[in-house]
Amino acid sequence: EAQVTQNPRYLITVTGKKLTVTCSQNMNHEYMSWYRQDPGLGLRQIYYSMNVEVTDKGDVPEGYKVSRKEKRNFPLILESPSPNQTSLYFCASSLSVYRGLNTEAFFGQGTRLTVV
Amino acid sequence: AQSVTQLDSQVPVFEEAPVELRCNYSSSVSVYLFWYVQYPNQGLQLLLKYLSGSTLVKGINGFEAEFNKSQTSFHLRKPSVHISDTAEYFCAVSLSGGSYIPTFGRGTSLIVHP
Repeated sequence: EAQVTQNPRYLITVTGKKLTVTCSQNMNHEYMSWYRQDPGLGLRQIYYSMNVEVTDKGDVPEGYKVSRKEKRNFPLILESPSPNQTSLYFCASSLSVYRGLNTEAFFGQGTRLTVV
Repeated sequence: AQSVTQLDSQVPVFEEAPVELRCNYSSSVSVYLFWYVQYPNQGLQLLLKYLSGSTLVKGINGFEAEFNKSQTSFHLRKPSVHISDTAEYFCAVSLSGGSYIPTFGRGTSLIVHP
């Protein structure tokens, strides 16, 4: 089944303790992205990746890191989490980002992170 | 850069009534337009999309949307809603020329009452 898988689904952590949220897709998609969803603010893009070893900042990258060593995986890293990073996080992927190809995004189920 | 405005943060409606969720965008170039739905405790899934061609686009679950270039709008409609349509709806836009990096609206919460 074609899907984007995030882990964990729920996570409670303490301020300053490094954590990683994993994201994996099995559709051979080139484009992957991380969003955070907060009430009243919709989805805001954190980082995105056009292809392997190519990553770029989105609208709210501060406090986050990503890597894209393989096509299927795009982990989100919080080196020193703070309470303002408490949010619902989504990973998404699409076939490509170039005109003429399918531009539909597929989303993971979400990771609800609480930083205390 | 493109932007999306969803004019209503919340739309309450009774079951079997029609509904329209509004979306306006701004862009100086041609765009692709999307509506996504997020059911409680789930990720987003695509409802419908406009890439080119007919301006009236039909999607899943009886939803449709009309692309209006002169009004820069892409409103989502359903003639008769069900309780199960209660969800968060997101409009998204991307530039049709060159790379696609979607911009999402803030979402509209559709609440269907019995």
